[in-house]
Amino acid sequence: DTGVSQNPRHKITKRGQNVTFRCDPISEHNRLYWYRQTLGQGPEFLTYFQNEAQLEKSRLLSDRFSAERPKGSFSTLEIQRTEQGDSAMYLCASRAGDSIYGYTFGSGTRLTVV
Amino acid sequence: AQSVAQPEDQVNVAEGNPLTVKCTYSVSGNPYLFWYVQYPNRGLQFLLKYITGDNLVKGSYGFEAEFNKSQTSFHLKKPSALVSDSALYFCAVRDNSGAGSYQLTFGKGTKLSVIP
Repeated sequence: DTGVSQNPRHKITKRGQNVTFRCDPISEHNRLYWYRQTLGQGPEFLTYFQNEAQLEKSRLLSDRFSAERPKGSFSTLEIQRTEQGDSAMYLCASRAGDSIYGYTFGSGTRLTVV
Repeated sequence: AQSVAQPEDQVNVAEGNPLTVKCTYSVSGNPYLFWYVQYPNRGLQFLLKYITGDNLVKGSYGFEAEFNKSQTSFHLKKPSALVSDSALYFCAVRDNSGAGSYQLTFGKGTKLSVIP
């Protein structure tokens, strides 16, 4: 499968616990994005990587959230001390550097905080 | 700042009839425009994009969209709807002025229901 892969597909956690999600982009794509989608809303931008550098972060990304992309390959998104408001679908997307290429999305990780 | 409006939360259409899902956008520079479809508990699947050139863009599964610069619209259309087209549709825009992440900004989505 040469698409964008996200793991796990579903995560249920208790409030206050830490969770980590993984995204494996298309191998030749050097740009990587994280989005969050809540029920009834469109995806909202969280953060952007170009290779291993995190170049942009949304104000939605509180200090409980951290993202990494070591060596410019896969990326992880960690949420510390989860809150019920963090329940959402977390989507990862990647694209190649040439601007005419589209953005390929993964199937997402659905987080439920109980 | 860039934004997208999808004025209809839901669109209902009979199978075999033409469908339109509306989208308007706002950007400071020239827009790149996208349509994505989402099935329940799934990620986003790319349908089509407008970059430049012909205002009528053809995409996957028989969908097409018309870019109208004066009306800042990018409506999604299909001549004959199928029950399997029932899903959530998102319009997205990217501003191409300057440099940056070129993140996509999405509308809230329109739920399309095709009635047999």
